This record gives sequence, structure tokens and C-alpha cells, in this order.
Amino acid sequence: QQQVKQSPQSLIVQKGGISIINCAYENTAFDYFPWYQQFPGKGPALLIAIRPDVSEKKEGRFTISFNKSAKQFSLHIMDSQPGDSATYFCAEEWENFNKFYFGSGTKLNVKP
Amino acid sequence: GAVVSQHPSWVICKSGTSVKIECRSLDFQATTMFWYRQFPKQSLMLMATSNEGSKATYEQGVEKDKFLINHASLTLSTLTVTSAHPEDSSFYICSAVTVSGGVGEQFFGPGTRLTVL
Repeated sequence: QQQVKQSPQSLIVQKGGISIINCAYENTAFDYFPWYQQFPGKGPALLIAIRPDVSEKKEGRFTISFNKSAKQFSLHIMDSQPGDSATYFCAEEWENFNKFYFGSGTKLNVKP
Repeated sequence: GAVVSQHPSWVICKSGTSVKIECRSLDFQATTMFWYRQFPKQSLMLMATSNEGSKATYEQGVEKDKFLINHASLTLSTLTVTSAHPEDSSFYICSAVTVSGGVGEQFFGPGTRLTVL
């Protein structure tokens, strides 16, 4: 079922630093690329999303960079805070089917 | 924003019993809901797609007779784990989809922790 590869598996960043998580996909039929944040024991929450006609989207400290030719996209968390410590999942939506495939997740630990 | 609830949030049951988990979209109608299973420190595994008024579509390897899904209305989908066994213990998460501009946005419930003794 794995349609997208996510890296790294875990990430440790100092407070104030930049956290970068990468995802790569294979099928160009995907047309919606969301990132989800999940805290332990909770369901994932939509963080930010992008469509392939845009190369970058920024919302506050969170930025998605999208490289359509390389079939890669990444999440950048600027000025990372301890409260950002969570597991992050990238996902892709299958065109017209509204079916989502998730990456394997990245556990982010922001140290104070 | 769109809110999805799940009930119960956790359940403990004996082996062989059946457990029903409800997923509700509180402030929007969802023709499509998904059910996921998540093991500790792992990603979400799609189990099935639930469409209102029709049979659910199960992913390969998911037993449809064991995981019964009913999407009776535009705001409610239920997952029943029949004859539960310890290996069914997991975190079950539902999501509901709203469609905007031809693209579905997915909103997740808080999850249900199932422990089968």
C-alpha cells in the first residue's frame, strides 16, 4: 500500500532551528499533498497542504516546497518549538478517488 | 473547521466479543469516510472506504466479514470488529471527507483505542 516514501524516520532539532521532512511519490495521478501532525493518542490533524500547480506554500512557520519534476515535496518548520514535537505524516490524494496514501511518518523531537 | 468525533475513545473487551465504533462528522456531511488502523509508532493503514448508502470498499488483506462497516447516513459511519481477538488490539481512526474544488479534504477523528484481552 506504500505509495509514498517519507524521510527521515526520526528527527531531533534544537529549539529555534529548522525541521525538514521529505516525501517522494511515484504516481503523477496524485493531485493533493497534505501534511498531518499527530500527537500521541490523538488522531492526525491537517497542518498544511499543497496542489501540484504551486511550488511553495507558506502558513505561519510551516512551508511546503513542491518539486513536480522530481516528484518530491517537503515540509519545513521554521523556528521549531518544543510544542511542535509530534509525528508528521505526508500524504497524497489519488486523483478523483479521494483516496489517501500516507507516508511512514517522522517523529520530530524539538529540544528546548 | 470540520469536526469529526469518534465513540468510544477507548474500549477494553474480552476475546470473542464484538465491538462497535462510531464515527460522526459533526458540522458537515460526508459522503465518504475512511477507516484506518494504526499500530504503535507506525503509519496509518487504510482499512476501508465507506460510502453513504453503499457497501464499503475494503483494502487488500482486510477481512470484510470481520470488520463490518455501515455508513447509514451522511454524518455517521460505524465499524464493528466482530469476534475480536488480541491481535485486533490497535488504534482505529476514522476520517471524513469534504470535497472542495474537486479535491477531497480529509478530517480525522480522535481515534479509538481497542484492547482485546
